[in-house]
Amino acid sequence: DVKVTQSSRYLVKRTGEKVFLECVQDMDHENMFWYRQDPGLGLRLIYFSYDVKMKEKGDIPEGYSVSREKKERFSLILESASTNQTSMYLCASRTLGGSYEQYFGPGTRLTVT
Amino acid sequence: DQQVKQNSPSLSVQEGRISILNCDYTNSMFDYFLWYKKYPAEGPTFLISISSIKDKNEDGRFTVFLNKSAKHLSLHIVPSQPGDSAVYFCAARAYTGNQFYFGTGTSLTVIP
Repeated sequence: DVKVTQSSRYLVKRTGEKVFLECVQDMDHENMFWYRQDPGLGLRLIYFSYDVKMKEKGDIPEGYSVSREKKERFSLILESASTNQTSMYLCASRTLGGSYEQYFGPGTRLTVT
Repeated sequence: DQQVKQNSPSLSVQEGRISILNCDYTNSMFDYFLWYKKYPAEGPTFLISISSIKDKNEDGRFTVFLNKSAKHLSLHIVPSQPGDSAVYFCAARAYTGNQFYFGTGTSLTVIP
């Protein structure tokens, strides 16, 4: 059974803190993605990685960075958290070839105060 | 600018009737479309997809229709069941890259 896990379901951080969100997939997928979901805006892509150490910016990369040192793990880093980064963060993965479906983790609800 | 749009934020349907969820897109380079379902406190799960070379794809109670000339796709659920109550997202992929573009979602409520 495919599985994408995220390190925390809920997280509360203070403005200016450095925040790490971790995502792990056990499907040996090449591609991994970080999205944020906000009311009325749907899912917006922050960054994706098409392989280890490879990354590409999505639509809203400002204020974020990512790291992918191992195939199964993709980390999202908020360098200096701000209140406008309060959101639901979703990680996803997919394999190359075949169907384009992505497998999502349960999400991390981040609140920055 | 939103390249994939779901103009109905919510939809209510009686159990047993048909649910029709709509999605419009603007980018003519989109070649693959997917629908995802999302329950509260869970990540989206894949439901059904369609390639731009087709105009219809069926999977059990779910059918997706694609009208390329109108840049419109729809998801039909027949018959609707209370367990179908969820938020539905459509998504599209451009053949030029690996990025997927998601709509804003439609919250479906199936009334028993």
